[in-house]
Amino acid sequence: KAGVTQTPRYLIKTRGQQVTLSCSPISGHRSVSWYQQTPGQGLQFLFEYFSETQRNKGNFPGRFSGRQFSNSRSEMNVSTLELGDSALYLCASSFPLAGPYEQYFGPGTRLTVT
Amino acid sequence: AQTVTQSQPEMSVQEAETVTLSCTYDTSENNYYLFWYKQPPSRQMILVIRQEAYKQQNATENRFSVNFQKAAKSFSLKISDSQLGDTAMYFCAFMTSWAGTALIFGKGTTLSVSS
Repeated sequence: KAGVTQTPRYLIKTRGQQVTLSCSPISGHRSVSWYQQTPGQGLQFLFEYFSETQRNKGNFPGRFSGRQFSNSRSEMNVSTLELGDSALYLCASSFPLAGPYEQYFGPGTRLTVT
Repeated sequence: AQTVTQSQPEMSVQEAETVTLSCTYDTSENNYYLFWYKQPPSRQMILVIRQEAYKQQNATENRFSVNFQKAAKSFSLKISDSQLGDTAMYFCAFMTSWAGTALIFGKGTTLSVSS
């Protein structure tokens, strides 16, 4: 079974631009969560989508948004990029109805904002 | 709000030795899950072991085992017979039973295994 994939793997953007990151979950998984990883703040939960609905949201500004499609693929969008948005963005998929919520992570997208 | 604390930023161990990584958490919840994740230099986050709070028995996965002390809110990871491939950042994580799949992570412990 293929793992979680994220595209692109690396991205360089300029302050003020917007960016869209993509995450394809493991086949059959219906939940996708997004995390931001920075040296200073560590790993922080952004939001979770389940069956195309945002089920939970972390403490991030409205510039961070996401969506999920009917095939469970998810995208996250960051508008008006700031230097502090430079981070590794990880997505994780799970099949919550199967019991303890084991999440399987993708390789991440490294975003650099200049 | 729930918090997870890992008090050891860095640890080092020789091959074949045993090492214990510490984790404490704070919550008022009674039902929750605890996890240890490993992040090697490749940055791929890998689930090492999980523990359901309602289970008294400590979880074990091959060379990895936990010491779960619910009253003390402590969740340490023991790695036996350490291998070079265990070199990684280890994160302790907490998840409530009601907040979907949102994981709250500690700051991590960098483990170096040398020969």
